[in-house]
Amino acid sequence: TQLLEQSPQFLSIQEGENLTVYCNSSSVFSSLQWYRQEPGEGPVLLVTVVTGGEVKKLKRLTFQFGDARKDSSLHITAAQPGDTGLYLCTSRGGSEKLVFGKGTKLTVNP
Amino acid sequence: NAGVMQNPRHLVRRRGQEARLRCSPMKGHSHVYWYRQLPEEGLKFMVYLQKENIIDESGMPKERFSAEFPKEGPSILRIQQVVRGDSAAYFCASSPTYHEQYFGPGTRLTVT
Repeated sequence: TQLLEQSPQFLSIQEGENLTVYCNSSSVFSSLQWYRQEPGEGPVLLVTVVTGGEVKKLKRLTFQFGDARKDSSLHITAAQPGDTGLYLCTSRGGSEKLVFGKGTKLTVNP
Repeated sequence: NAGVMQNPRHLVRRRGQEARLRCSPMKGHSHVYWYRQLPEEGLKFMVYLQKENIIDESGMPKERFSAEFPKEGPSILRIQQVVRGDSAAYFCASSPTYHEQYFGPGTRLTVT
C-alpha cells in the first residue's frame, strides 16, 4: 500500500509570506492530486499532475511534480487569509480509490 | 451543474441506532466513493460503487456497515447499531470515469 507523507503537519504564517508544503511517497505516483479542505467542508480539487518534472500554476499557487514521480510540492506566494485550510495530497491506490496523506494544516494570520 | 450533494449535513444518533447517509453524485457521474475522516486524520477510503455494483469495499468494516448505489436515487451508506467510534465526518465523492474525484460537503455523524 502506497504511503503518503506530508510536511509540515502544521504551518502558521503571516499574510504576505511565502510557503512551501511537501508530499512524499514510498513508491512512484501514477498521478497526484492536491486538494484544499476548509473547516466543515469537503476537499476541493486544486490540481492533478501526471508527468515527472511537471509544473502547474494556479494564480499564486505553484505545484511541482518530482522528476522521479515520488514527491511533489506546493508553493504559495504572498499568502492570504483565504488560503487557510488543510492541504491534502492524494494518489490512486488501485481500483480508483484515493490514498490520502494526513495533510498540512495552514493558518495565514492577517 | 450542481456539485455532489450529501444529506444530512449533521446527524446525531444514540448508541445502537442506525445511521443512513445519502449522496447524490454530480450529473453524469456514475462512480461513487465513500471516505471517512476522523479528527486530525486524513481521509480513509471505505467503498467504491458504480450503479448497482460494489467495485471495491476493502476499506469498509465487515460488520455493521453497508453501502449501495441503486439504479435510481442516491447512494446510501448505512451504519447499523452505531457506536461512539463511528463518530466522524463521512464524505462522498463522484467521478465520470477514470478521472478526478469531486467531493461533497460531508455528513458529520455524532454518536452519543
